[in-house]
Amino acid sequence: GAVVSQHPSWVICKSGTSVKIECRSLDFQATTMFWYRQFPKQSLMLMATSNEGSKATYEQGVEKDKFLINHASLTLSTLTVTSAHPEDSSFYICSARSRQGMAEAFFGQGTRLTVV
Amino acid sequence: AQTVTQSQPEMSVQEAETVTLSCTYDTSESNYYLFWYKQPPSRQMILVIRQEAYKQQNATENRFSVNFQKAAKSFSLKISDSQLGDTAMYFCAFMKAGGTSYGKLTFGQGTILTVHP
Repeated sequence: GAVVSQHPSWVICKSGTSVKIECRSLDFQATTMFWYRQFPKQSLMLMATSNEGSKATYEQGVEKDKFLINHASLTLSTLTVTSAHPEDSSFYICSARSRQGMAEAFFGQGTRLTVV
Repeated sequence: AQTVTQSQPEMSVQEAETVTLSCTYDTSESNYYLFWYKQPPSRQMILVIRQEAYKQQNATENRFSVNFQKAAKSFSLKISDSQLGDTAMYFCAFMKAGGTSYGKLTFGQGTILTVHP
């Protein structure tokens, strides 16, 4: 099956610092990856769509300068939360779509970010 | 744009009983997919079942089945013989079919299901 690995699983950082989260497709090539944010007991909200070799497409209301997305290869997308503040504390989940364009999303394990 | 609505924030069921989770959606698309995902306390998203909108037959996966009413834009999930391991948050999700839309999901608000022994 298709495996997506997200790292780290949890991270604590100080306010004002930056944090990078990695999303890797381990056994398939992912032309597109998606980044979601989830608050406790709430739904997943799409933040941005990451396309290999091009700029990410951000959803309305998402600050592109705060949430930097890079998709430099067919197996890796990164989300960097810049100048993190306590309100950025959340659960971030990535998903990937295979190159074959199957109607299926493969999810990473998620990253719990706590900004103190 | 499409919307997905789950009107049951929380549900509970006794072990071995049957429970149905509701989901409605709104879209102007003719080709799409609908999903139910399970998110246990580990928060890993697990695909429960998928329905292609062009198929009239309701999808079934072991104890899980759906009631897909395309005209009513309704997509409910029935869990039979509930087990303690079914305790989780369940999300209904919509995916537009075609091209760059594959993989992009719109989620409902979620329903927390608790199975009691």
